[in-house]
Amino acid sequence: DAGVIQSPRHEVTEMGQEVTLRCKPISGHDYLFWYRQTMMRGLELLIYFNNNVPIDDSGMPEDRFSAKMPNASFSTLKIQPSEPRDSAVYFCASSFPGLAGEMGELFFGEGSRLTVL
Amino acid sequence: SQQGEEDPQALSIQEGENATMNCSYKTSINNLQWYRQNSGRGLVHLILIRSNEREKHSGRLRVTLDTSKKSSSLLITASRAADTASYFCAGDNYGQNFVFGPGTRLSVLP
Repeated sequence: DAGVIQSPRHEVTEMGQEVTLRCKPISGHDYLFWYRQTMMRGLELLIYFNNNVPIDDSGMPEDRFSAKMPNASFSTLKIQPSEPRDSAVYFCASSFPGLAGEMGELFFGEGSRLTVL
Repeated sequence: SQQGEEDPQALSIQEGENATMNCSYKTSINNLQWYRQNSGRGLVHLILIRSNEREKHSGRLRVTLDTSKKSSSLLITASRAADTASYFCAGDNYGQNFVFGPGTRLSVLP
């Protein structure tokens, strides 16, 4: 398997534009996570899905952010409209459940570095 | 809820020395996981220790878990320059809210 695939790797956009980040998880993984990483805030969990269903989106900063998982092999994170403070590296990770419902190992993509001017 | 808080924030050692990082968490967990992140890359899983385990080894890595103190430690023995990275921990509460701490930045000097 190629691992978790994210696109684009780098995106530079202007304030007010719509940004769509994409993620292809590892086949067979039930969980999908979106994280955001900045120097100031570290790694923040934005949202996670289990079997394509959003379980916890309490980390989504505000209504400008939305995430979907239309099927088991694809997820998007959309920011509309984007703002300079959204500049960060966005990571997608997937996982399969371990023993007795525990969280197994997370496999991370290489991230999408977003710069909003 | 914060399910992983590492310390120290930064650690600088000489090649060949051992590096010890600590992790504290607040709620009950069923396992705790350590990850490494090289600059500009995604996180990579290192080791998972379950709540009924006290110590686990993997190559040069040794992890301990003390559930009574809600803490874990990661020991890297005979460190190498390639171990330079940030290290994160996260506790699993049956798949809920898998949150990482701020990490420990380890620098191994040649």
